[in-house]
Order: sequence, then C-alpha cells, then structure tokens
Amino acid sequence: IAGITQAPTSQILAAGRRMTLRCTQDMRHNAMYWYRQDLGLGLRLIHYSNTAGTTGKGEVPDGYSVSRANTDDFPLTLASAVPSQTSVYFCASSDFAGSTDTQYFGPGTRLTVL
Amino acid sequence: GQNIDQPTEMTATEGAIVQINCTYQTSGFNGLFWYQQHAGEAPTFLSYNVLDGLEEKGRFSSFLSRSKGYSYLLLKELQMKDSASYLCAVRDSNYQLIWGAGTKLIIKP
Repeated sequence: IAGITQAPTSQILAAGRRMTLRCTQDMRHNAMYWYRQDLGLGLRLIHYSNTAGTTGKGEVPDGYSVSRANTDDFPLTLASAVPSQTSVYFCASSDFAGSTDTQYFGPGTRLTVL
Repeated sequence: GQNIDQPTEMTATEGAIVQINCTYQTSGFNGLFWYQQHAGEAPTFLSYNVLDGLEEKGRFSSFLSRSKGYSYLLLKELQMKDSASYLCAVRDSNYQLIWGAGTKLIIKP
C-alpha cells in the first residue's frame, strides 16, 4: 500500500520556468489538497478538490493551477516560477464522506526557485 | 481573521509528561486535529476532537474546550522518538483546515 506519492522529491528551478508537481493516491479518497509549508508558518492551502472534475482555491492560490481529471491524480502547476514559491509542497487526501475526514499526507516536494 | 496559536518550542525530559497547548479563533468549528511531523517528513495524524473532553490514545491524549477555543495534546512517558513538531489544525465553517505554525518538542535524556 503506497498511500500518496509525490514527484519529484526535490527540485531546483530557474525563475520563469514552468513546473508541475505530481501527486498520486491509491486510497480512492475523493478529496485532495495541495499545501505549502514555510518556516515559521502553518501549512497553507493552495488548491483543493472535493471530487474528480472539481477544484477550488485555497488561501494562497496565486501563481498555481491544478486539475483533477481522475480520482487518483492531482498535479500542481507553477506556470512561471518565482523565488517566493521556494517552499516544501505537500499533497494530501481525505475520504470526504468519512466521519472525521482525516487528511493523509504525501512525503512532500522540496522546491527551490532561483 | 482566523488564528491558531501554539508555543514555538518546548523542551522536556525523557520519561516525563508534556502538555502542548493550542488556542484558536476561527470562523466556525468542525473539529480539531493534532498531527506529528518529524523533521524532513510529512505530517502524520495523531488525534481528532469534535466534542468537549479528553480523547485518550495510548501515551497520547487530546483535550478540547470549544467554549474557550482551547485544546491541548498530552504526551506521557516521553521517548526520544517523540522529538518532533506537533501541529494543531481546526476545520472551519468552510470545512477547510486552518493550521498552527507547530510546536517543536525537544526531548532530552
């Protein structure tokens, strides 16, 4: 059982380049989320998807886009990376219909934009 | 605005008990979560409270008072492996999680 996988593990990117962070889950969870984690700050929600085919904006969506073509995959795209997008990115999923709707996290992608 | 407050860092001794507090001000309340995050790793779920009172799970317990906007995580019989950050998160009226910055717990022998 893999749970949630993310790729790449880490990446150094030149400013202005386009980058897609990949996230795949095998738990058949209907909801998926993208967070960024910066030192001294709590996890901040970028985008979410409550079910395949739908997406929504979180607290810090600017500069990011997502798609949810199927249940398992939820890629995050940076159209034109900027240094302020240097962060650790976590993908998470949850069974939205569950009693607690607990979120389970992938291992993260460490992104550096120079 | 919405706010989750936790101490930035705490130190405790192996074998002892430590209490990590969390206070919150959110638009609505639909449950409070505690997660553990070891350095360089993903957060992992520890506990969930939606009603007032204490939830016990082995060495870890979590308490909630909705009227006070307050929760704590109690860790007993501390082990070196408990050295980690502990994250408090509240689900708000939009059913989104609002996260605290986390409390870094340092365990000393």
